[in-house]
Amino acid sequence: DTAVSQTPKYLVTQMGNDKSIKCEQNLGHDTMYWYKQDSKKFLKIMFSYNNKELIINETVPNRFSPKSPDKAHLNLHINSLELGDSAVYFCASSQDSGRVDEQFFGPGTRLTVL
Amino acid sequence: TQLLEQSPQFLSIQEGENLTVYCNSSSVFSSLQWYRQEPGEGPVLLVTVVTGGEVKKLKRLTFQFGDARKDSSLHITAAQPGDTGLYLCAGLILNTDKLIFGTGTRLQVFP
Repeated sequence: DTAVSQTPKYLVTQMGNDKSIKCEQNLGHDTMYWYKQDSKKFLKIMFSYNNKELIINETVPNRFSPKSPDKAHLNLHINSLELGDSAVYFCASSQDSGRVDEQFFGPGTRLTVL
Repeated sequence: TQLLEQSPQFLSIQEGENLTVYCNSSSVFSSLQWYRQEPGEGPVLLVTVVTGGEVKKLKRLTFQFGDARKDSSLHITAAQPGDTGLYLCAGLILNTDKLIFGTGTRLQVFP
């Protein structure tokens, strides 16, 4: 009965490949996020969607494209993977965007680019 | 670029000791949150502080938001091995929906 789930948990791939990570939340929240956590554990926002609309888009390369088919899902597609894309990617959701709402995080997807 | 610096970066202590983790910035935040992250999992919210000078207690954990809403501290009394983890502060940037995370403090409590 997971609140925020991500698939896959681990992803190992070659440089230049295209891959997708899926995220689903069953909390009925309106806002979903993608974060990247690097090897030093620094967690940085990449994208945020509120009711399927993009509201935050940090300076992320165009190779990263989020897609929200409905407000319970936010997927992340990455084209032409590079070594520097290796990291743990976390999906999160909150009732509303920003303010003081708690963000609920998924378990993360560890991406390794060889 | 807004930055939330946490100190110390690493902390290794014995069970029963007290500790304080600091989260500092030159920016003002609407609110500040503290999360704890365990290996292989996502961060989990511990507390949200909103008002400058606010103090919140959660059992052995005491959180304080600075008067100017630029900094925060987390104090743990009588640390236990179960407190081991990565502690992250996160500030909501004024007039935005954006939450920025601190640089993290990795705590290890030995029995």
